[in-house]
Amino acid sequence: GAGVSQSPRYKVAKRGQDVALRCDPISGHVSLFWYQQALGQGPEFLTYFQNEAQLDKSGLPSDRFFAERPEGSVSTLKIQRTQQEDSAVYLCASSLVPGRETQYFGPGTRLLVL
Amino acid sequence: AQRVTQPEKLLSVFKGAPVELKCNYSYSGSPELFWYVQYSRQRLQLLLRHISRESIKGFTADLNKGETSFHLKKPFAQEEDSAMYYCALSYNFNKFYFGSGTKLNVKP
Repeated sequence: GAGVSQSPRYKVAKRGQDVALRCDPISGHVSLFWYQQALGQGPEFLTYFQNEAQLDKSGLPSDRFFAERPEGSVSTLKIQRTQQEDSAVYLCASSLVPGRETQYFGPGTRLLVL
Repeated sequence: AQRVTQPEKLLSVFKGAPVELKCNYSYSGSPELFWYVQYSRQRLQLLLRHISRESIKGFTADLNKGETSFHLKKPFAQEEDSAMYYCALSYNFNKFYFGSGTKLNVKP
């Protein structure tokens, strides 16, 4: 079946511009994670959803970052007033149920802020 | 606070040689430890997790709570093992901490 998909795959934004990154998890997956991966680093946790509930947003670096999953399926990560330090690959992952289930990762969205 | 440390950015070995990718963690409780792998132009994927005590593609990893380590080992490296490897930790499955990764290069 289809895996996790993310769009757009690449995004170039001018500093100060707002961007929206979309994640389509595997159908029926309850858990959804967002990560930020800077160049040469490992993925860094941003936020976690269980269905539509955002249970952990402690990794969001500032109030310019906002994530939602209103119907418990598709999720959007929004970054307002982008800064150069926001340039990174944004990864989405989903898992079937909370707990000891494998996370399936999407291909990521590469964001470049000029 | 850095919870997962992978001290080697790059590890080069010859085909058929043993390989060990190091991972140390800092957490006082009983975390779950994982190894993820990313092959060239592919997505990040789970390789193995310590609770399963399994061997995947010839790789094993033992959790050493005394040394707070979860090193990944394979007795005979293959060229197809060349990839980025990330060690990860979770204590509640709501949040995962990843190391900075080790690039394994297996030379023919």
